[in-house]
Amino acid sequence: AQKVTQAQTEISVVEKEDVTLDCVYETRDTTYYLFWYKQPPSGELVFLIRRNSFDEQNEISGRYSWNFQKSTSSFNFTITASQVVDSAVYFCALSEFPGVGADMRFGAGTRLTVKP
Amino acid sequence: DVKVTQSSRYLVKRTGEKVFLECVQDMDHENMFWYRQDPGLGLRLIYFSYDVKMKEKGDIPEGYSVSREKKERFSLILESASTNQTSMYLCASSPGGPEPSQETQYFGPGTRLLVL
Repeated sequence: AQKVTQAQTEISVVEKEDVTLDCVYETRDTTYYLFWYKQPPSGELVFLIRRNSFDEQNEISGRYSWNFQKSTSSFNFTITASQVVDSAVYFCALSEFPGVGADMRFGAGTRLTVKP
Repeated sequence: DVKVTQSSRYLVKRTGEKVFLECVQDMDHENMFWYRQDPGLGLRLIYFSYDVKMKEKGDIPEGYSVSREKKERFSLILESASTNQTSMYLCASSPGGPEPSQETQYFGPGTRLLVL
């Protein structure tokens, strides 16, 4: 069965620090998708990134970067030069292929607080 | 932009009441989902639907039912609300289809339900 573990329940940093959110997953499938979502205080989950299991290239988008390592079953998320607006709960999720997304499994989430 | 709306942001109900939570998406998505979010547990799937009038149980369907009479609308029904159903309820939709991008789920703002 698939499983997503976000071991960090809460992280607090000071603005401009770099921070990495860890995500470790378990799956028996060879083809799967990994996701990161951001949930700001308003409550709505905002899609950040989707990564396919056969594409291990790391990705950078502005201050955000993602490190996908199949060898360690990890999909970590780094925010560079954090800002107060980055304060949110971040969820990592796994979806096995094929499917309608009904098998998407979420981690418990990591609450990030960025202090000014 | 994909827009998923939920009928209420906050709801207070009494034990035993029948509760309706409504979700509407405006992007002609095939798939719709209902999750509940509880601290430390992440998101758990209650029900999903991959077509009008079609529904499938998720991981925690007990005490809930759903209705999808129109493609854009997916309703969650608590037949007889209980205090252990106090939670944040999140609706999501996804396009559906074979492409990886069609697996991505887009979320509404959530409904915080308090059952007294």
